[in-house]
Amino acid sequence: DTAVSQTPKYLVTQMGNDKSIKCEQNLGHDTMYWYKQDSKKFLKIMFSYNNKELIINETVPNRFSPKSPDKAHLNLHINSLELGDSAVYFCASSQWASGGPGTQYFGPGTRLLVL
Amino acid sequence: TQLLEQSPQFLSIQEGENLTVYCNSSSVFSSLQWYRQEPGEGPVLLVTVVTGGEVKKLKRLTFQFGDARKDSSLHITAAQPGDTGLYLCAGSDDKIIFGKGTRLHILP
Repeated sequence: DTAVSQTPKYLVTQMGNDKSIKCEQNLGHDTMYWYKQDSKKFLKIMFSYNNKELIINETVPNRFSPKSPDKAHLNLHINSLELGDSAVYFCASSQWASGGPGTQYFGPGTRLLVL
Repeated sequence: TQLLEQSPQFLSIQEGENLTVYCNSSSVFSSLQWYRQEPGEGPVLLVTVVTGGEVKKLKRLTFQFGDARKDSSLHITAAQPGDTGLYLCAGSDDKIIFGKGTRLHILP
């Protein structure tokens, strides 16, 4: 059973389009995240939702809008895609503990290429 | 702003050699994690260290958390081609931040 799954795995689209990436976790975790990994492999957190509430929102353009319909799902919608949005987007989940976010369980990633 | 600096950025060594990767910060973390990422996949947790001075071993991998909980090291003994990958450290407090990673390549 896949613990954290993302769809699609690959996404090629034109500049200016709007696209969505979906994420689901079956680990029973209470917190989900979106990360962006650029071509230099730098992994940077974008958003975090705890029990469906947004708790971390790093400096991300407002063209990016996360939505969490329930604790097991966190989707990412991107409006007006730009060339610089090309990257690998990882979804992750964890069980938030007293010491912080806890172990991150990552999905396989969505490779987005904007042409 | 919290930052985690990893060094070296790239390391290519022969099979059988030993190596150490470092993760340094000026910030104190409640815990520090090490992940390994292989091409085309997401990072996978190797270990979490919580206590200052803590040492954890995972087969040929030895992880140490600094006494002040600001830095950590990963030592690999007798590296194998299967150790090849991107090693990421991540500091956790009220949020989690990742270092830029060390790309390790073990030559057979």
